[in-house]
Amino acid sequence: GESVGLHLPTLSVQEGDNSIINCAYSNSASDYFIWYKQESGKGPQFIIDIRSNMDKRQGQRVTVLLNKTVKHLSLQIAATQPGDSAVYFCAENRPLKTSYDKVIFGPGTSLSVIP
Amino acid sequence: DTGVSQDPRHKITKRGQNVTFRCDPISEHNRLYWYRQTLGQGPEFLTYFQNEAQLEKSRLLSDRFSAERPKGSFSTLEIQRTEQGDSAMYLCASSSLGELFFGEGSRLTVL
Repeated sequence: GESVGLHLPTLSVQEGDNSIINCAYSNSASDYFIWYKQESGKGPQFIIDIRSNMDKRQGQRVTVLLNKTVKHLSLQIAATQPGDSAVYFCAENRPLKTSYDKVIFGPGTSLSVIP
Repeated sequence: DTGVSQDPRHKITKRGQNVTFRCDPISEHNRLYWYRQTLGQGPEFLTYFQNEAQLEKSRLLSDRFSAERPKGSFSTLEIQRTEQGDSAMYLCASSSLGELFFGEGSRLTVL
């Protein structure tokens, strides 16, 4: 099926350290990228997004970096906390036709925070 | 709670039976999506509505699957003659522009 690409399937970090989760996408026409967090038994929850005309966006403890040249996206979490343990998905918005779009998810990275 | 709600949360059925899931999106959202998610995988796009119009369907959506959004508000996803391979979490999301808001999902187990 369609998917956004390569990632580390699992990542373990010490509490208080910074986490970096990477994602590659394949479609040059994608114009909008989103990171989602999914905790066990719940639906994905929006973390941060970035449009293709930007290369960096910061939120509270999170930063998303976009490198369109190599079609790479990363999520940085500062001072990782136990509550950050979850699966993280990058997603790309692919314009289909005028005003239509489709959001495609990558396979996800499972983040474990070691207390 | 004004988020996206899905019903039922869990459904166990025997192979060959039909099942229907319902999604109530956030009221002012005109876009509604259905995704399927299996264990360890990211959500896979199934279909997309803008208001009541179904604008995109994935190749994953076989003829046993049908989705409707009759009045541009709630949506239903029906699976006919279920197969064991249909076992998954079915996620609904809505948006106005940009960010998708997901429901908690409907988990289907086909025995």
